[in-house]
Amino acid sequence: DAGITQSPRHKVTETGTPVTLRCHQTENHRYMYWYRQDPGHGLRLIHYSYGVKDTDKGEVSDGYSVSRSKTEDFLLTLESATSSQTSVYFCAILGQFGSPLHFGNGTRLTVT
Amino acid sequence: GESVGLHLPTLSVQEGDNSIINCAYSNSASDYFIWYKQESGKGPQFIIDIRSNMDKRQGQRVTVLLNKTVKHLSLQIAATQPGDSAVYFCAEQDNYGQNFVFGPGTRLSVLP
Repeated sequence: DAGITQSPRHKVTETGTPVTLRCHQTENHRYMYWYRQDPGHGLRLIHYSYGVKDTDKGEVSDGYSVSRSKTEDFLLTLESATSSQTSVYFCAILGQFGSPLHFGNGTRLTVT
Repeated sequence: GESVGLHLPTLSVQEGDNSIINCAYSNSASDYFIWYKQESGKGPQFIIDIRSNMDKRQGQRVTVLLNKTVKHLSLQIAATQPGDSAVYFCAEQDNYGQNFVFGPGTRLSVLP
């Protein structure tokens, strides 16, 4: 799994509650990404980071925030979870341009 | 804009036969393409990649073909095995090199 750990693996939460997902890497890669995967949509980019404290939005960033205070950790926060954020969330890392993304095993989030 | 898509959402093949999974892309400036395999409950796993200066690349039992004229990418799996049953999707690196566009995926089912 290319040294990527996502936690938790599963979470059920109620609408309106805050949720934080964690991605931890041991590869010392500069680039880290958060995607969500939904049926019929494939993987869609939420946010990505190109270094400590350097982040940018992806195509589906509304309702999400991220933080990266250390190279190895990239946190995804849902400030107030909604049912539309029920999804499987994947973290990925990139060693260098022109190389593939490597993914974690995902977090399945259910918002009730 | 950029887009990556797949021609067939599902594909069923007999064990031992060859499988071909197709992908179309729209950004003629893209120069790096990847195929991923995703098994149930797991993150996408890198299979093989190809750069735009190549039209064919072979791995172990897998071959990726790139036709830049018609912006088409295919994954060939030789002697398909039950363990090959999964969702396969292609990815295209964007113009800036740090983000990727993913297709929705094709589910490959291997029949005994």
